[in-house]
Amino acid sequence: GEDVEQSLFLSVREGDSSVINCTYTDSSSTYLYWYKQEPGAGLQLLTYIFSNMDMKQDQRLTVLLNKKDKHLSLRIADTQTGDSAIYFCAEMDSGGYQKVTFGTGTKLQVIP
Amino acid sequence: EAQVTQNPRYLITVTGKKLTVTCSQNMNHEYMSWYRQDPGLGLRQIYYSMNVEATDKGDVPEGYKVSRKEKRNFPLILESPSPNQTSLYFCASRGQGIVTSGELFFGEGSRLTVL
Repeated sequence: GEDVEQSLFLSVREGDSSVINCTYTDSSSTYLYWYKQEPGAGLQLLTYIFSNMDMKQDQRLTVLLNKKDKHLSLRIADTQTGDSAIYFCAEMDSGGYQKVTFGTGTKLQVIP
Repeated sequence: EAQVTQNPRYLITVTGKKLTVTCSQNMNHEYMSWYRQDPGLGLRQIYYSMNVEATDKGDVPEGYKVSRKEKRNFPLILESPSPNQTSLYFCASRGQGIVTSGELFFGEGSRLTVL
């Protein structure tokens, strides 16, 4: 089956850039996502990229997709303490029911 | 307000005592799904439903049941809970069709402890 891998933990200083990485195995992914989970809450979609794109920028967020290496990254510029959360990478396959597979999540800790 | 509502948010129960976690969405979404979140394992899909009376197993369905009698509701049933079902559970929904990014809308989670 599909597999999505992330490192479990990242610590950065406030004001620095954060880069969260993800690798996946499904070569037929249609959409790739980044979801954010704040403490005690459900997941919320942060951003997504269609599989025929290489990059997407949205304010402080930059998503890079390397389809050849099946690598997705999320860069957060000028990281703030409010960015502390768990970030999940996810991919949607092209199958009939469009299954979404999530990674293990990366816990981002922002140090003031 | 568009939302997915789960109840209860917190539950402590004992092995073997049947329980149901309810999930309701007000967005008229066809697709609904249950996930469990465990440390180091991320989110794993338990069951999903493409529409009313259409349910199917996800990656970790053992020990769970679901039903979809109405479009808005998708309850998760644990007939005989065991300690390995202690976890954080999320219900999610999304619209179907070609003009959609596939965004999933999540409930706030139900933390279940089975003693």
